[in-house]
Amino acid sequence: GQQVMQIPQYQHVQEGEDFTTYCNSSTTLSNIQWYKQRPGGHPVFLIQLVKSGEVKKQKRLTFQFGEAKKNSSLHITATQTTDVGTYFCFYGQNFVFGPGTRLSVLP
Amino acid sequence: GAGVSQSPRYKVAKRGQDVALRCDPISGHVSLFWYQQALGQGPEFLTYFQNEAQLDKSGLPSDRFFAERPEGSVSTLKIQRTQQEDSAVYLCASSLGPRSYEQYFGPGTRLTVT
Repeated sequence: GQQVMQIPQYQHVQEGEDFTTYCNSSTTLSNIQWYKQRPGGHPVFLIQLVKSGEVKKQKRLTFQFGEAKKNSSLHITATQTTDVGTYFCFYGQNFVFGPGTRLSVLP
Repeated sequence: GAGVSQSPRYKVAKRGQDVALRCDPISGHVSLFWYQQALGQGPEFLTYFQNEAQLDKSGLPSDRFFAERPEGSVSTLKIQRTQQEDSAVYLCASSLGPRSYEQYFGPGTRLTVT
């Protein structure tokens, strides 16, 4: 069935460093969503990307959808301790979550 | 306004017992989803309702799992004869539209089977 992969599995950064997580699919995606789950919390929607090559920004977060619509990335500039959590990409058409990237930020 | 609520928040069941998990979606949300999340893993899809119709139940792991949404609002996920491997957090989500819309998640029910 449909699989969505994410790398890295874990990322430890010093506060102020940048962070990027990558999401890859073997098949073309009609759209991709990103969610954040804080430790002990539930997933919270961040963004949806639909168009090939689309780039969206939310403050320090930049989301990209690949030209072939098979990959996506989330980049955080100058991480803060509030960015701690697991970031999931999600393909809603098939209800598939990636395995997530767990981000820890050292103050 | 109120978000998605789930009850109970925690449930401990002895192996072989039946459990019922409740989800109250955001009012007016057409779609409702159930996911199972094991520790350290991403949520895994169980089933999807559009109004009262169960359009996809392909993720239900066995016939011990049953979900319903009889009036197109509240939903119940029932697990019969619980097994240890059923221990997980069960997440409910709702959305305004069909499957590719933004989903709003509830806090989850943590089920522990002893």
